[in-house]
Amino acid sequence: AQSVTQPDIHITVSEGASLELRCNYSYGATPYLFWYVQSPGQGLQLLLKYFSGDTLVQGIKGFEAEFKRSQSSFNLRKPSVHWSDAAEYFCAVYTGNQFYFGTGTSLTVIP
Amino acid sequence: GAGVSQSPSNKVTEKGKDVELRCDPISGHTALYWYRQRLGQGLEFLIYFQGNSAPDKSGLPSDRFSAERTGESVSTLTIQRTQQEDSAVYLCASSPRVGRNSAGNTIYFGEGSWLTVV
Repeated sequence: AQSVTQPDIHITVSEGASLELRCNYSYGATPYLFWYVQSPGQGLQLLLKYFSGDTLVQGIKGFEAEFKRSQSSFNLRKPSVHWSDAAEYFCAVYTGNQFYFGTGTSLTVIP
Repeated sequence: GAGVSQSPSNKVTEKGKDVELRCDPISGHTALYWYRQRLGQGLEFLIYFQGNSAPDKSGLPSDRFSAERTGESVSTLTIQRTQQEDSAVYLCASSPRVGRNSAGNTIYFGEGSWLTVV
């Protein structure tokens, strides 16, 4: 069965520090992977996606993610976090007809 | 349209009343999805449409929930005899196509309909 796991429910980082949000997936075929961000009271905005090719993908707002097939992971990273990055982050896998989402990681940024 | 549009953006209803939530997907998008997000929770899949057919209704929580779609356009999610546990944000999303060969397929979300049942 397909699933997406985000092990960290909540992460707090200092502004300017680096960030890594973890995502593990379970899917039998080559996955199509996504990261979305949800600011308070807003819908979900696409940060980046992976379909094939280079396993390190760049997204908006300075985010990047690396697909590691051997670890079934697609972790999201940012070298230097800004206060405006505080939000909920969702990892997702697309199976060809459905998008499966993780339960999300809430990011708090402290000054 | 330019993006996925949902209405109403906010709805407060009395327990036992019926509500309809509307979603206008991005023009030309084949697939349409409904998700529910309770306060502080992740996304709960409800149903998805391919065109106007619904291959997967497995996420609908009870027979009080139903959804329909007209062609490849508007969809309506109906909740009958609302209960307090139905209070949530209902998110609609659309994607250009379906299928495993849909490289480049991406899901785009609306702003959601916030439902409060009192």
